Amino acid sequence: DAMVIQNPRYQVTQFGKPVTLSCSQTLNHNVMYWYQQKSSQAPKLLFHYYDKDFNNEADTPDNFQSRRPNTSFCFLDIRSPGLGDAAMYLCATSREPRGRGYEQYFGPGTRLTVT
Amino acid sequence: AQSVTQPDIHITVSEGASLELRCNYSYGATPYLFWYVQSPGQGLQLLLKYFSGDTLVQGIKGFEAEFKRSQSSFNLRKPSVHWSDAAEYFCAVGAGTGNQFYFGTGTSLTVIP
Repeated sequence: DAMVIQNPRYQVTQFGKPVTLSCSQTLNHNVMYWYQQKSSQAPKLLFHYYDKDFNNEADTPDNFQSRRPNTSFCFLDIRSPGLGDAAMYLCATSREPRGRGYEQYFGPGTRLTVT
Repeated sequence: AQSVTQPDIHITVSEGASLELRCNYSYGATPYLFWYVQSPGQGLQLLLKYFSGDTLVQGIKGFEAEFKRSQSSFNLRKPSVHWSDAAEYFCAVGAGTGNQFYFGTGTSLTVIP
């Protein structure tokens, strides 16, 4: 089945130690998104790629960066995680931009713990 | 500014009872409307969406939603709730351009036996 895969499902990192989360898709979608979701809140978009074009949300901290080496893979890098970065990180894809009405397909998420 | 309001933070229903989750949006034109569900520890899954046409939309898992332009609402309904429906439900609006998309704050559903 076509899907969005996130690895790892659970990640524990130390305060200030860089961490990378990965996402892959078999849907061949143009758009890939990274969301941060804290407990009992809606997902918050960090950034997205439309093909190779990177789009950063205005309020995304510089501590968060992303790479999309090819259509299938996208990575979230947190350069110096703080305690406030502990959250669920969701990757999603859509064939075209979500604002134009295209369904997003979500991965199962990576739960990040910062110690 | 566009916004999405889900007035109910948390709802508890008995298994077998009917369910209605409320969603109101603020947008000048007819937006794209979505309901997503999130089970604990999982990603979101699309239940249904409205683009145009028939204002009553059928979705997966027995859910339906009705678009009411006059009330700027897109409420989600299910006639008989199952224990497996316990989850977080997010209403969302796409405003037509690439990144104009907004999630509501979510409604947490508890189902009691």
